[in-house]
Amino acid sequence: SAVISQKPSRDICQRGTSLTIQCQVDSQVTMMFWYRQQPGQSLTLIATANQGSEATYESGFVIDKFPISRPNLTFSTLTVSNMSPEDSSIYLCSVEGDRGGEQFFGPGTRLTVL
Amino acid sequence: AQSVTQLDSHVSVSEGTPVLLRCNYSSSYSPSLFWYVQHPNKGLQLLLKYTSAATLVKGINGFEAEFKKSETSFHLTKPSAHMSDAAEYFCVVIINQAGTALIFGKGTTLSVSS
Repeated sequence: SAVISQKPSRDICQRGTSLTIQCQVDSQVTMMFWYRQQPGQSLTLIATANQGSEATYESGFVIDKFPISRPNLTFSTLTVSNMSPEDSSIYLCSVEGDRGGEQFFGPGTRLTVL
Repeated sequence: AQSVTQLDSHVSVSEGTPVLLRCNYSSSYSPSLFWYVQHPNKGLQLLLKYTSAATLVKGINGFEAEFKKSETSFHLTKPSAHMSDAAEYFCVVIINQAGTALIFGKGTTLSVSS
């Protein structure tokens, strides 16, 4: 299994600002994923990030709001832009396992927007 | 389209009694199904996975799940609950042939009382 770290672990931000979340993996992986978990809700996939190509966004998520970078095979960032209180969530990154489709998740970034 | 439905938002059991967390799935092809657990303030952990091998799948911490195609179910069970099992449990299905996109159920909160 992969070991995944995220920074920051939590943050409190003001409306209208942006926050960049970092995801670091201890091994090289082809695909990384970003999820959002709103308070009391399940996880929703935001986008899939492959190294060397544009991220693929799920319905309801757009690049202008959630720009993603994937500069190498062990690192990715997700930016939450022009934040509003509705963006208050836990944001998680994940990577594929060796086989079987399972994913390994980072500890999450808890974002509160005032 | 692939989806999962967790039939109970909250399950309460006493320590030492059996646990049953229910999940039904919908899939147009043979699905890959998972159960993940999320302990308070901790990351998501894979409990077990079904990928068309044995229909009875054994996972970590004494949990197991049985894939029943006729009932489109993948219920999670444990013979004897422990206090440390109190957590949020998610039933998850892969929704694309590439095996890269996960859909999470809404989650079931398991409470264990002494």
